[in-house]
Amino acid sequence: GAGVSQTPSNKVTEKGKYVELRCDPISGHTALYWYRQSLGQGPEFLIYFQGTGAADDSGLPNDRFFAVRPEGSVSTLKIQRTERGDSAVYLCASSLIQSSYNEQFFGPGTRLTVL
Amino acid sequence: GQQLNQSPQSMFIQEGEDVSMNCTSSSIFNTWLWYKQDPGEGPVLLIALYKAGELTSNGRLTAQFGITRKDSFLNISASIPSDVGIYFCAGLRQGAQKLVFGQGTRLTINP
Repeated sequence: GAGVSQTPSNKVTEKGKYVELRCDPISGHTALYWYRQSLGQGPEFLIYFQGTGAADDSGLPNDRFFAVRPEGSVSTLKIQRTERGDSAVYLCASSLIQSSYNEQFFGPGTRLTVL
Repeated sequence: GQQLNQSPQSMFIQEGEDVSMNCTSSSIFNTWLWYKQDPGEGPVLLIALYKAGELTSNGRLTAQFGITRKDSFLNISASIPSDVGIYFCAGLRQGAQKLVFGQGTRLTINP
C-alpha cells in the first residue's frame, strides 16, 4: 500500500509570503504528526492530530504557524508571513493509535526555502 | 527545542567494521527508538525499545534501553555500504505521542 505522501517536495518562496504544505497519511491511520527538520539536526515536533482535532500543538513556534485536518485524513500546514528562519524540511508522519506506542511512518518531507 | 544528546556526530569507517553510537538525556523516557534517514527521505524505524534494560536485535543491529531510562545505544556489526546514512535516536515519554530526537550520527563507509 501507499506510504505517507507530501506535496510539494520542494517549495521556494520569498520572505513575507504565505505557504501551504500538504500531507496525505497512510489510509486508516488516525494520528498525524508534523515535524520540522533544520539542516544538520534531528526532527523537532510541531503538532499532533488525533482524528480532526489537534491533540498537542505545543511545538508550533509562533502564531504564524497553523495546521488543519478537517476530515481526519489529509492535513495542511500553513505558514503566514514566512521568514528566512522557517527554511527547513517539514516532515509529516502518521500512525495508528492504541494504548502503547505505535510506529510513526514518515513521509519524504517538503523542503521549504525562504529567500 | 529539546533534543537528545547523540554521539558521535559523524563516523568514518571501513566496510566490515562494527559501529557503536549512543544517546543520552537528562530526563526519563519510557520508549527509546532508533531511526535511519537516507537523503531526501523521511526517517525509517530500525528498532524500538520499551523496557529499561531491554536488549533488542534486528539483523546486524543491536540496541539497548539503559537501566536508568536516560540513555540508549545502537551497535551495527559488520558494516556494509547500504548502512551509510544518518542515524537518529528518539525518545517517547509516558502517555505522550511526540517524539524527541537526537541530533543524528552521520555514518560514512569506505569500501
